[in-house]
Amino acid sequence: GQSLEQPSEVTAVEGAIVQINCTYQTSGFYGLSWYQQHDGGAPTFLSYNGLDGLEETGRFSSFLSRSDSYGYLLLQELQMKDSASYFCAVRSPLGGGATNKLIFGTGTLLAVQP
Amino acid sequence: EPEVTQTPSHQVTQMGQEVILRCVPISNHLYFYWYRQILGQKVEFLVSFYNNEISEKSEIFDDQFSVERPDGSNFTLKIRSTKLEDSAMYFCASSERARGGTGELFFGEGSRLTVL
Repeated sequence: GQSLEQPSEVTAVEGAIVQINCTYQTSGFYGLSWYQQHDGGAPTFLSYNGLDGLEETGRFSSFLSRSDSYGYLLLQELQMKDSASYFCAVRSPLGGGATNKLIFGTGTLLAVQP
Repeated sequence: EPEVTQTPSHQVTQMGQEVILRCVPISNHLYFYWYRQILGQKVEFLVSFYNNEISEKSEIFDDQFSVERPDGSNFTLKIRSTKLEDSAMYFCASSERARGGTGELFFGEGSRLTVL
């Protein structure tokens, strides 16, 4: 089967740093993405790792280790508006490349407190 | 900024009725997707669509589901005979490409389907 596991909830305070982990087990792997979702609305893209290592995008960074089937999202200088659900997602295209299917993780609800 | 638009935002229907959810993907995108999210749960892949045909579908996407691109802009999901367990938020998404780049999917705001 295919699974992506994340902690269900994380709580942190404004200005702090928080790390959200993701471990995956999938039949195909082309990269690991992270999406943010506020209040059940449209998931929005945050970051992508196609190769091992760290990718930095402003206050957000994402890390991937393909040998460990593991990645994380690091959020720095937390703000109240960062309170949302965060999903890791494995990019899993078919061999012919005619799809860009994402398999989403279980999601982590981040609560940022003052 | 271009965006994916979905209609209706919320639909309530009786069990056994047919429902059509509509989506207008971003105009220069070639790959289209439907996902669903049952309240409080993860986002689940239903189907991907490229070049006017289904590229891949999940086991959720059984015979009661169908997708269509009836014209150059709309992309629809039809549920033929709704069941209570079809109640969920349905997200349409599109992407510019399948391989290369970040593979970013652009999601619409969703259509909430409630089956009574």
